[in-house]
Amino acid sequence: DTEVTQTPKHLVMGMTNKKSLKCEQHMGHRAMYWYKQKAKKPPELMFVYSYEKLSINESVPSRFSPECPNSSLLNLHLHALQPEDSALYLCASSQDVGGAYEQYFGPGTRLTVT
Amino acid sequence: DAKTTQPNSMESNEEEPVHLPCNHSTISGTDYIHWYRQLPSQGPEYVIHGLTSNVNNRMASLAIAEDRKSSTLILHRATLRDAAVYYCILRALYSGGGADGLTFGKGTHLIIQP
Repeated sequence: DTEVTQTPKHLVMGMTNKKSLKCEQHMGHRAMYWYKQKAKKPPELMFVYSYEKLSINESVPSRFSPECPNSSLLNLHLHALQPEDSALYLCASSQDVGGAYEQYFGPGTRLTVT
Repeated sequence: DAKTTQPNSMESNEEEPVHLPCNHSTISGTDYIHWYRQLPSQGPEYVIHGLTSNVNNRMASLAIAEDRKSSTLILHRATLRDAAVYYCILRALYSGGGADGLTFGKGTHLIIQP
């Protein structure tokens, strides 16, 4: 089973709201990732967690706050977002970090900020 | 990660083989060649990856040039379901920072004609 699940599938939030995106995998993978994809653009890396520790933050604004409560779960907490943050947010996981390991992606959460 | 170059788009007929090229002239000796695809309204999907030797799996084959400066993803018998954006991505065996993500380029839009 190579499934990564993401909830919710769709989210509409106002600029003053606080919401969270959730990602889960049960493959025993030790690396988890958040990507952002704007319409008609390729995905862009936001955060990398390796063994439950934040390894990479690609200069993402602080209104996005990642959290890895355990090795199977990854959250993305959202606060005071802007309309330009509307995008597809993708979660991925891999067995470990590095080029030898492939990544498996979830279906994404489509976020609209009003 | 080193850069890759892919054609913007390609067309093929259903039930025929498809060869998707990727140039990566600045590849280093420890860079893996990864391929992912993204169907409309879905998250990216892992296809195949390799280091030096040609690779086969149930989805596709990866042919790597002897000098490793180019590679070709081969879909042996295209179906309409294979219409997607295909991304060729180089990933270092191990990044200096201890973790890494995928750096997506623009990819190749594959169109399958019935």
